[in-house]
Amino acid sequence: GQQLNQSPQSMFIQEGEDVSMNCTSSSIFNTWLWYKQDPGEGPVLLIALYKAGELTSNGRLTAQFGITRKDSFLNISASIPSDVGIYFCAGQQRGSGNTGKLIFGQGTTLQVKP
Amino acid sequence: EAQVTQNPRYLITVTGKKLTVTCSQNMNHEYMSWYRQDPGLGLRQIYYSMNVEVTDKGDVPEGYKVSRKEKRNFPLILESPSPNQTSLYFCASSPPAGPPPVFGPGTRLTVL
Repeated sequence: GQQLNQSPQSMFIQEGEDVSMNCTSSSIFNTWLWYKQDPGEGPVLLIALYKAGELTSNGRLTAQFGITRKDSFLNISASIPSDVGIYFCAGQQRGSGNTGKLIFGQGTTLQVKP
Repeated sequence: EAQVTQNPRYLITVTGKKLTVTCSQNMNHEYMSWYRQDPGLGLRQIYYSMNVEVTDKGDVPEGYKVSRKEKRNFPLILESPSPNQTSLYFCASSPPAGPPPVFGPGTRLTVL
């Protein structure tokens, strides 16, 4: 099946540092999503991107939908301890007649040292 | 509160003993899906349903069954669980052309 390549797989950073992670695909998607998973919980949507080139912010988080529609990145500025978790990118094909299935990256595990 | 609920949250069972994981959503969503999460692989879709009585295979359907008799419920059935089905399972729901899927809290299954 389709796959997304997400990197890095893990990050261990100091509180206050900025973080950047990205996803690439061999397929085109018309929606890119970024989810965060806290320990023992399900993924929670952070940012949704619907147009190529779109740059969207949610507080300290910023994500962009690549121009080629095959990639996306997520930046977290001034990290804090509660940013700890697993971040997933997901690509989705939307439109009539499709299933809305998400194709997920492998995840980036973020640890923040106070 | 709009949510997806799953039960049980944790389950330890033995090989071959049939089990069902329930999923329910209160948002009147048409689409529901099951995913499994394994280290290094992200989440992979097992089965999905576009509406009542409409289900189809995802990317990793072997060893699983589903049913969709009511719009709000989408149970995942393992007729004869095996150790390679030890995983973290998530149910998700969404409207057909609207916001992205909402995920349940997960069910951690261990098959001995």
